[in-house]
Amino acid sequence: KAGVTQTPRYLIKTRGQQVTLSCSPISGHRSVSWYQQTPGQGLQFLFEYFSETQRNKGNFPGRFSGRQFSNSRSEMNVSTLELGDSALYLCASSWDRVGLETQYFGPGTRLTVL
Amino acid sequence: AQSVAQPEDQVNVAEGNPLTVKCTYSVSGNPYLFWYVQYPNRGLQFLLKYITGDNLVKGSYGFEAEFNKSQTSFHLKKPSALVSDSALYFCAVRPYSGNTPLVFGKGTRLSVIA
Repeated sequence: KAGVTQTPRYLIKTRGQQVTLSCSPISGHRSVSWYQQTPGQGLQFLFEYFSETQRNKGNFPGRFSGRQFSNSRSEMNVSTLELGDSALYLCASSWDRVGLETQYFGPGTRLTVL
Repeated sequence: AQSVAQPEDQVNVAEGNPLTVKCTYSVSGNPYLFWYVQYPNRGLQFLLKYITGDNLVKGSYGFEAEFNKSQTSFHLKKPSALVSDSALYFCAVRPYSGNTPLVFGKGTRLSVIA
C-alpha cells in the first residue's frame, strides 16, 4: 500500500506570496493532520481534517488554512508568507479520527521563504 | 494541557551497546503514547505505541519502550544499537479519551558510533 505523499517536496517563495501544499493520504485513510516542524519550535500541530471538516486547529494565525476533499486528499494554504514560515510541513493520515489511531507521516514539504 | 519532555537533546552510544532515549509526559487521565523516528530529509516513521495493558511495548526495528505510570515516563530502549539507528527520535502523547491532537516532544538526536 502506498504511503502518504506530499507535493511539492521543496518550495522557495518570497515574503508576501502565498503557497499551497498538497497531501494524499494512505488509501482508505479518512483523517489528515498537518504539522509544522522547525528547529526552534519542534513539531507543532496545525489542523486536522476528517470527512471534509476541520476537527481540530492549532494555535496558528488565520494566514494558515486548509481543506479536505471528498477523496480525503488535503491541501493547506499559507497566505502573505513571512520569513518565520520557513519550515518542514508534514502531513499525517490515519484511518479514523486521531483518537486511538496511529498517524502515518509523509516525507514533508520543505518551504523556504526569502 | 498535555506536554512531553525529552530531557536530552543528544544521546551518543557505541555500536552494540544498549541505548535509552528518555521521555516523560504530563496528561489528564490515562495517556496514549507514541515513539516516532525521523531520518534526514524524511518524514516521521512510527516505531511503537502504548494504549493500555503490558507496560513493555515492542515495536519496529528491535525497539521497545517501557511505560511507567508512577514516574510518568515512556523511555525508548534497544538492547544493541546499530549505526543505522542514528536519527532524530520523537515521543508524543495525547489523553486516552477525547480527540485532542498529539503533542510531540522536542526530539532527541541519537548518534551511534561505530
